[in-house]
Order: sequence, then structure tokens, then C-alpha cells
Amino acid sequence: DAGVIQSPRHEVTEMGQEVTLRCKPISGHNSLFWYRQTMMRGLELLIYFNNNVPIDDSGMPEDRFSAKMPNASFSTLKIQPSEPRDSAVYFCASSLGARGLAGMGNEQFFGPGTRLTVL
Amino acid sequence: AQRVTQPEKLLSVFKGAPVELKCNYSYSGSPELFWYVQYSRQRLQLLLRHISRESIKGFTADLNKGETSFHLKKPFAQEEDSAMYYCALSGRGYQKVTFGTGTKLQVIP
Repeated sequence: DAGVIQSPRHEVTEMGQEVTLRCKPISGHNSLFWYRQTMMRGLELLIYFNNNVPIDDSGMPEDRFSAKMPNASFSTLKIQPSEPRDSAVYFCASSLGARGLAGMGNEQFFGPGTRLTVL
Repeated sequence: AQRVTQPEKLLSVFKGAPVELKCNYSYSGSPELFWYVQYSRQRLQLLLRHISRESIKGFTADLNKGETSFHLKKPFAQEEDSAMYYCALSGRGYQKVTFGTGTKLQVIP
């Protein structure tokens, strides 16, 4: 099992360009999460999906960020237009669990991350 | 609102010394607490969770509801423990997880 797959692993782009990050969750997992990691703020949840439906996007910084999950095996995080302050490592994670089941302690499985540099 | 605070960005200890990584949380309901670890060039992965009450790689963490803390402890640090550690919280039965800002543990040989 390859685990959560993210592509690309590294992305260098210029300010103003569109950036698309991709994620393939673990087969059978029904929840998918996008995080951003920076030195200053640590790991921040951007958005998460349950059964392909966005549940909480309150962490999305602004309208320049958008995320989709067209099916259970694929999700994208898009930044348009990109800015230097968007430079960070973006992680995708997936988990298996159902909302409302007490005590599930849902473990999240992380991808390797995409290191984004916006010049 | 749920919040996780890890007051130390960096913790350096000598090999064989005790380790305590601090974590405090704020949550109005019944929390589930986790510790995740990221070793160099590896993925972020779950280390332990409070409901399991287990010891993993010599690490333990006890949920103290009175002090709203979930500190990670190990009696004798090993060099291979050097990593980034994140404390995390979710509401019981809910999947949204809030992470702290992380503590980098550096074990000095």
C-alpha cells in the first residue's frame, strides 16, 4: 500500500501563477484533509471532506484558495493567483471513520507533502 | 473553539535524560488527544492517543482534564527520538483535528 499519494513533491512557481496540488487518499478512507505547514504557524487545517463533501473550509485563507474532491480517490487544492506568502509545505491526509461514533480516535494518515515555493 | 498550545518550539536534551513535551488544550466538550511525530524525511504519523492508554517507543501521555494538559513523556531519551512532535485534539466522534504548532525535540548524544 503506497499510502496517501501527493503530487508534485516540489513546486516552484512565480507570483501570480496558478498552482494545483493533487492528492490520492488511501482506498476506502472516507475523509480527506488538506493542511499547510509553516515554521511560524505549524500545521494548519485548510479544509476537510467527508464522503467527497466539503465539511469545514474555515481554514482556507482567502478566495485565492479552492479545493475539490470530484470522487473518492482524488482531490485538488488550487491557488490562483499564487503569492510568495503561500510558500509552505502542503499536506494531504485521509482517515477512516464516521462522524458521531464516540471514541473512534480517528487516525489520520499523511502524504509526503508538497513543498511549494512562490517566487 | 478548540485550541492546542505547545509552548516550546525547540527542546534539547541529552541522551538518557528524561523528556517532557508540553501540550495544553482548550475545548468545551469531551476531547480526544493525540501525539503525532515527524521524523526527518518521513511522513507525519500517529505516535499515540489518549484513549489507548498505551506506551509507544517508551513514550506515554496522560490526559489531565483538570489542568487541560496532555504532556508527552519518556524517562530516557534516545537519539532516534529526535523529531518534530505535534499535539492534536479532536472532539469525540468528530474528525476535525486541531494541531499545535509543534515542538522540535533534539536529543544530544
